[in-house]
Amino acid sequence: DTAVSQTPKYLVTQMGNDKSIKCEQNLGHDTMYWYKQDSKKFLKIMFSYNNKELIINETVPNRFSPKSPDKAHLNLHINSLELGDSAVYFCASSQLLGQGEKLFFGSGTQLSVL
Amino acid sequence: AQSVTQLGSHVSVSEGALVLLRCNYSSSVPPYLFWYVQYPNQGLQLLLKYTSAATLVKGINGFEAEFKKSETSFHLTKPSAHMSDAAEYFCAVSDGSGGFKTIFGAGTRLFVKA
Repeated sequence: DTAVSQTPKYLVTQMGNDKSIKCEQNLGHDTMYWYKQDSKKFLKIMFSYNNKELIINETVPNRFSPKSPDKAHLNLHINSLELGDSAVYFCASSQLLGQGEKLFFGSGTQLSVL
Repeated sequence: AQSVTQLGSHVSVSEGALVLLRCNYSSSVPPYLFWYVQYPNQGLQLLLKYTSAATLVKGINGFEAEFKKSETSFHLTKPSAHMSDAAEYFCAVSDGSGGFKTIFGAGTRLFVKA
């Protein structure tokens, strides 16, 4: 059983389109995250949710809208896609919201905007 | 604000040689420090975590790291490199600030030569 699973694995789309990435964790964790990894492998946090409540929103354009229907799911919807949105997006979870929590990562969604 | 700096974007070693990946951190309070590994086309996995219980931390796959407060360093070592160690390694810090964010360094790509 995959602990943190995200779909799709690859997403190729045109500029201006709207797309969603889904994430589910079966670990019973309280906290979920979205990270963006750019072409130089730099990993930057975008959002975190704890028990469906938004905790971190890191100066991300409002074209990006996370949604957490329940503790086990955190989806990412992106409107009006731009070339600069091309990256690998990682979902992650941790047992609790707190300092020093181990993060469990999904295998990533490679988004290519043409 | 917390941050980490990884010295060297690429490190190349021969199989059987010592692996040393460098990480320096900045934090206004005692931090939690991590090393994560990312294999190609996969998400990150935790190698080890420093929690102030002991300055020398042992992780998986024979890796260990030593916390040196005076040098604000948390370097990762492995006595003998194996071909399977080739991957991207990320140092990370969490000090409880900013909604309990985990901040990642830019990563170091480890190459292992036969």
